[in-house]
Amino acid sequence: TAGITQAPTSQILAAGRSMTLRCTQDMRHNAMYWYRQDLGLGLRLIHYSNTAGTTGKGEVPDGYSVSRANTDDFPLTLASAVPSQTSVYFCASGSTGGPDTQYFGPGTRLTVL
Amino acid sequence: GQNIDQPTEMTATEGAIVQINCTYQTSGFNGLFWYQQHAGEAPTFLSYNVLDGLEEKGRFSSFLSRSKGYSYLLLKELQMKDSASYLCAVRDGDYKLSFGAGTTVTVRA
Repeated sequence: TAGITQAPTSQILAAGRSMTLRCTQDMRHNAMYWYRQDLGLGLRLIHYSNTAGTTGKGEVPDGYSVSRANTDDFPLTLASAVPSQTSVYFCASGSTGGPDTQYFGPGTRLTVL
Repeated sequence: GQNIDQPTEMTATEGAIVQINCTYQTSGFNGLFWYQQHAGEAPTFLSYNVLDGLEEKGRFSSFLSRSKGYSYLLLKELQMKDSASYLCAVRDGDYKLSFGAGTTVTVRA
């Protein structure tokens, strides 16, 4: 079972360019999440989706957009990248309800120059 | 929102015990999670507490006191492979997680 996959693994991007980070899960989880992780700040939630067709803003949503057309995919788009978006991005999925935890993808390391 | 505090770093000797504390202030509480994260890797789930008390899973235990906004993760019989960052996370009523900055544990021989 693949679990959660993310692509690309890493990317160097010029400031002002757009980019979409891909995330796919095969666990049929209803909820999916995007986090960024920066040194000293821990994981911060960017956007989330509790079910296909709905999305919500997390702690740091500015400069990012998401869509949830189906259960499995949850792409994150940077419309016009800035250097402060240099970070490691983790996608996660989980089932809302009960003790179920969130499962994390391997991450995408993004550098914006 | 959530305010979650945990120590930045801890060092311990192989075979010893280490306790990582986590305090939180929350606008809604729906469980507390501990994750382990090795350098360059994704976080992986360690433990979950939603009721007060101790949950034990092998060498790892986690404790919760909801009235005090306090949890700890206890790592026993430390091994070199336990060197990692340990993340405390609080879940709200909308099933979103808020994370502390993480505690880096270094195990020395």
